[in-house]
Amino acid sequence: DARVTQTPRDKVTEMGQEVTMRCQPILGHNTVFWYRQTMMQGLELLAYFRNRAPLDDSGMPKDRFSAEMPDATLATLKIQPSEPRDSAVYFCASGLLAGGSYNEQFFGPGTRLTVL
Amino acid sequence: LAKTTQPISMDSYEGQEVNITCSHNNIATNDYITWYQQFPSQGPRFIIQGYKTKVTNEVASLFIPADRKSSTLSLPRVSLSDTAVYYCLVAWGGGYNKLIFGAGTRLAVHP
Repeated sequence: DARVTQTPRDKVTEMGQEVTMRCQPILGHNTVFWYRQTMMQGLELLAYFRNRAPLDDSGMPKDRFSAEMPDATLATLKIQPSEPRDSAVYFCASGLLAGGSYNEQFFGPGTRLTVL
Repeated sequence: LAKTTQPISMDSYEGQEVNITCSHNNIATNDYITWYQQFPSQGPRFIIQGYKTKVTNEVASLFIPADRKSSTLSLPRVSLSDTAVYYCLVAWGGGYNKLIFGAGTRLAVHP
């Protein structure tokens, strides 16, 4: 049963610290997404990659957030420095976009980030 | 940029059919309509996707009228385990840069 995995599941840190979240997409998927979910804003798309290339990161605060895919099995989302307003659940999702058709996204369990 | 509007919450009882309607007045020609389900402390899970008319799978049906300005997710004979938040979204068939989840509908199924 292929699944998206995310680590850590929970992270508590202090303001100003660096936070790195990791995601392992489903093998064979060519598209990876990062979302942030809060009660106030709901689900927000931060960035997404296709074939490891960043296609859109317009949803991310560029001064402190960065997203990368070092290889096809790992996606990272980094926040430096972290702020209390970054507290949220961060989801990674992967999908297979083929032939121009839209396909479903498979979400990981999320990383719950608390910045004190 | 397509946006969706759906009811904030709905209540139902076990065994009933539940229909959740979503409005997407400015849907684009290439946009697909997709529904996701989310349980507490979990990521959203794909339910169903359609482009026009009717789509049915093992868990739900999706009805899309000809003008595609709205869509209705139909859950037959709900059970307590269907209590969740349901998101309607539209997405361009060629990419994801316009993919925005709506506020979601919180469905509560009662015994």
